[in-house]
Amino acid sequence: AQSVSQHNHHVILSEAASLELGCNYSYGGTVNLFWYVQYPGQHLQLLLKYFSGDPLVKGIKGFEAEFIKSKFSFNLRKPSVQWSDTAEYFCAVNDISNFGNEKLTFGTGTRLTIIP
Amino acid sequence: DAMVIQNPRYQVTQFGKPVTLSCSQTLNHNVMYWYQQKSSQAPKLLFHYYDKDFNNEADTPDNFQSRRPNTSFCFLDIRSPGLGDAAMYLCATSRVVGITNEKLFFGSGTQLSVL
Repeated sequence: AQSVSQHNHHVILSEAASLELGCNYSYGGTVNLFWYVQYPGQHLQLLLKYFSGDPLVKGIKGFEAEFIKSKFSFNLRKPSVQWSDTAEYFCAVNDISNFGNEKLTFGTGTRLTIIP
Repeated sequence: DAMVIQNPRYQVTQFGKPVTLSCSQTLNHNVMYWYQQKSSQAPKLLFHYYDKDFNNEADTPDNFQSRRPNTSFCFLDIRSPGLGDAAMYLCATSRVVGITNEKLFFGSGTQLSVL
């Protein structure tokens, strides 16, 4: 079974600092990868996704993530964070070989706190 | 405009007292999902409906049931809530059951407390 690891449970940064949140998954087959964000009091929403092609994907609000297949990683990055980036970030993976019965497996999430 | 709506936002029930959580969607999506998210844990899929076809995850307790009377509505029924069932319950939708290249649309969740 696939699993997703987010080793950073809580990250605290000052505004304008650079961000990198780690995500590793354990599955050897073909996967799609996602980052979801949950702002305080709001619902989960898609930040970015990778399914094929360029392993460096760009999402909304200046976020990007790089898929490194050899490392089973899909780390999220942003060069300069803002206070409004304070949120919980979830990495998710789905196994596309199980076509028709796919499901997302989420990581435990990383809480990001930006200090003004 | 809210596209996946969950009511209520907070629900308090008593140990062993049945409770129903509701979800509605305006997206006309074929698939509706229920996730359970406990504090500091990953959202965990309980089951999903593809149209009227119900798909239960193997490790979902029998205490959890679901109903989908029409495309727009889906309910989560907890027959005899225990203290361990206190969690955030998330409803999500997608256009198709194969979620390759698709994204899920989530509701804001219902926070369930069991006293």
